[in-house]
Amino acid sequence: QVQLVESGGGVVQPGTSLTLSCEASGSTFSKYNMHWVRQAPGKGLEWVAVIWYDGSKKYYVDSVKGRFTISRDNSKNTLFFQMNSLRAEDTALYHCARDALAYCDDDCRAAFDIWGQGTMVTVSS
Amino acid sequence: EIVMTQSPATLSVSPGERATLSCRASQSIGSLLAWYQQKPGQAPRLLIYAASIRAIGIPARFSGSGSGTEFTLTITSLQSEDFAVYYCQQYNNWPPYSFGQGTKLEIK
Repeated sequence: QVQLVESGGGVVQPGTSLTLSCEASGSTFSKYNMHWVRQAPGKGLEWVAVIWYDGSKKYYVDSVKGRFTISRDNSKNTLFFQMNSLRAEDTALYHCARDALAYCDDDCRAAFDIWGQGTMVTVSS
Repeated sequence: EIVMTQSPATLSVSPGERATLSCRASQSIGSLLAWYQQKPGQAPRLLIYAASIRAIGIPARFSGSGSGTEFTLTITSLQSEDFAVYYCQQYNNWPPYSFGQGTKLEIK
């Protein structure tokens, strides 16, 4: 069974940067689109970004466009999330999640079948 | 952007009873809806996709129905491990993917 383990969270000041990682077990990482989904303390789930299985396409929620960058290294089974110009409202538990369909490309429509437990990012002065 | 609205916010049900959770989309999403279960300190778990198909390993007491804008998750014969927060998610029209605000299922 594939597992996803996030790391890299911490307490940072507003305006600073942080990079999150998500390491996947198994040999199928390169076949799946990957997402970052965040959850503010005591709140619900908010989708933040997706990257295509081959890294060719990336999409973001409007609130992070231009500040956050999703990337991946398929040779290391690892997903990344570079977060710049952090704001208090970015404070959340950040989960990585996998598309339920392999090689999902144009017009992809898939639920998220595997999730990591998350890494906490706190932005505070 | 499609807005997902779940009701009720909190549902109190006795073990062994049936729970019915609702999810409404602000516009038609066909059947491209998923349900997730989340327990405190744990990752979300996919229960249902395509509105009515149970994910691998999900017990038959969980069932989903609906299409278009109105969806329902039904849990029969509630077990102690079923008390959690449940989220619906649309994946028909993105970005962004959108989740409902969640329904907390608590023990009555």
